Amino acid sequence: NFMLTQPPSVSESPGKTVIISCTRSSGDIATNYVQWYQQRPGSAPTTVIHDDNQRPSGVPDRFSGSIDSSSNSASLTISGLQTEDEADYYCQSYDSNNPVVFGGGTKLTVL
Amino acid sequence: QVTLRESGPALVKPTQTLTLTCTFSGFSLTTGGMCVAWVRQPPGKALEWLGLIDWDDEKYYNTSLKTRLTISKDTSKNQVVLRMTNMDPVDTATYYCARTLSRHFDYWGLGTLVTVSS
Repeated sequence: NFMLTQPPSVSESPGKTVIISCTRSSGDIATNYVQWYQQRPGSAPTTVIHDDNQRPSGVPDRFSGSIDSSSNSASLTISGLQTEDEADYYCQSYDSNNPVVFGGGTKLTVL
Repeated sequence: QVTLRESGPALVKPTQTLTLTCTFSGFSLTTGGMCVAWVRQPPGKALEWLGLIDWDDEKYYNTSLKTRLTISKDTSKNQVVLRMTNMDPVDTATYYCARTLSRHFDYWGLGTLVTVSS
C-alpha cells in the first residue's frame, strides 16, 4: 500500500499564492492521476482539480495542479488567495492494488 | 442532474450492524466505467475510503475494513447499500456516498452522521 502525505496546515495572506504538496510514499506519482478536493466546514468535498491538472467547470483558474516526478509529489497551487478559499484540501490517487487512497488533508487558513 | 443521498440510522449501538443506503439519480450504474463509492469522515478527521462497487458488480474494499464491509447495488432502484458489521464508537463518522468515474469522485452526497453509542 502507498500513502499520500500532506502538510497538516498552511496559511497565507489574501492575494498571495499558496502551494499544498502531496507526496506519494511508493510507486510513481505520474502513473496514476491525482485529484484534489476542497471541503468547507459542514459540507461534502468538491473537486477543484482532477486528472493531475484539470479544472472542473466553475472552478476558478486561480486553482492549478501539477506533478513532480523528481519529488514524487503532486501540488495544488492557489493564487490570488481569497478568504473563501479557506477550507480543508485533500489529494487522492490510486493504483492497481489500491483502488482509492486519500491524503491526510491540509487545512488552509487565509489570514 | 446527478444527485446522491445517503440514508440510514443516525444512532447505532456497539456490536450492531450499520446499513446505509445511497439513492442516486442522473446516471446509471449499468454504464461502463461507472462506480459508486463510500467514504467516511470521523469528526475533525480526514476522509477515509471504505469501498466501491462498479458497473460490472465488482466490489473493492479498504483492506483494513474488508472483513466488516459489504457493498451491494440494486440498479432497478438506483441504490447502493453499505453494510458494516460490529460497529464501535470509533466508527462514529459522517458517511458519504459518491459517484466515481476513473477513480475521480465527481459527485458526492451530503453525508449522514452516524453515532455509535450505547
